[in-house]
Amino acid sequence: EIVLTQSPGTLSLSPGERATLSCRASQSVSSSYLAWYQQKPGQAPRVLIYGASSRATGIPDRFSGSGSGTDFTLTISRLEPEDFAVYYCQQYGGSPPHTFGQGTKLEIK
Amino acid sequence: EVQLLESGGGLVQPGGSLRLSCAASGFTFSNYAMTWVRQAPGKGLEWVSAISGGSSSTYYADSVKGRFTISRDNSKNTLNLQMNSLRVEDTAVYYCATRITMIYWGQGALVTVSS
Repeated sequence: EIVLTQSPGTLSLSPGERATLSCRASQSVSSSYLAWYQQKPGQAPRVLIYGASSRATGIPDRFSGSGSGTDFTLTISRLEPEDFAVYYCQQYGGSPPHTFGQGTKLEIK
Repeated sequence: EVQLLESGGGLVQPGGSLRLSCAASGFTFSNYAMTWVRQAPGKGLEWVSAISGGSSSTYYADSVKGRFTISRDNSKNTLNLQMNSLRVEDTAVYYCATRITMIYWGQGALVTVSS
């Protein structure tokens, strides 16, 4: 089973700043099958990024994903007030289980 | 437009059973694997189970193996999760999901296991 470790656990930033979230896998994620999700309280997770770097439909271009192998990054270039939420990464390469990271909470400083 | 709609959630006593369903539309259902993911109150996301398009392969998290059964009816575009021997720790919102290049999720169904 691939274990995903997200860092930091909590990130405190101000609107307008740049956010960099990390997701590290215990073994290589095949074909860069890595997704990023945003979740706000009381809502279902929303897919932001799939295939490590492809933005989902309707996702603003301030969100970008990068990485391969075992190291992946979600970058929010310029934080908007609505971006403060919890972010999860998930690997879905190969046979299940398709594990999730423990989440990074992005909070307003 | 891809749509996934879960149903069947509710309150059940420990040791009881519940069956979740997920109605799919907007894509050729039989061509794609389907997945269940859950989220306990205040906790992170947990992958639960998956099934291949033709039902030949099924997969389970260790936490539910032997108690939950995933199945699908391709004639009705429906995914199911039969949950038996439910425990308090199975309390969660259950989501169905699929990957058709992009990833799609439903809005979730709440399962509460409590006496």
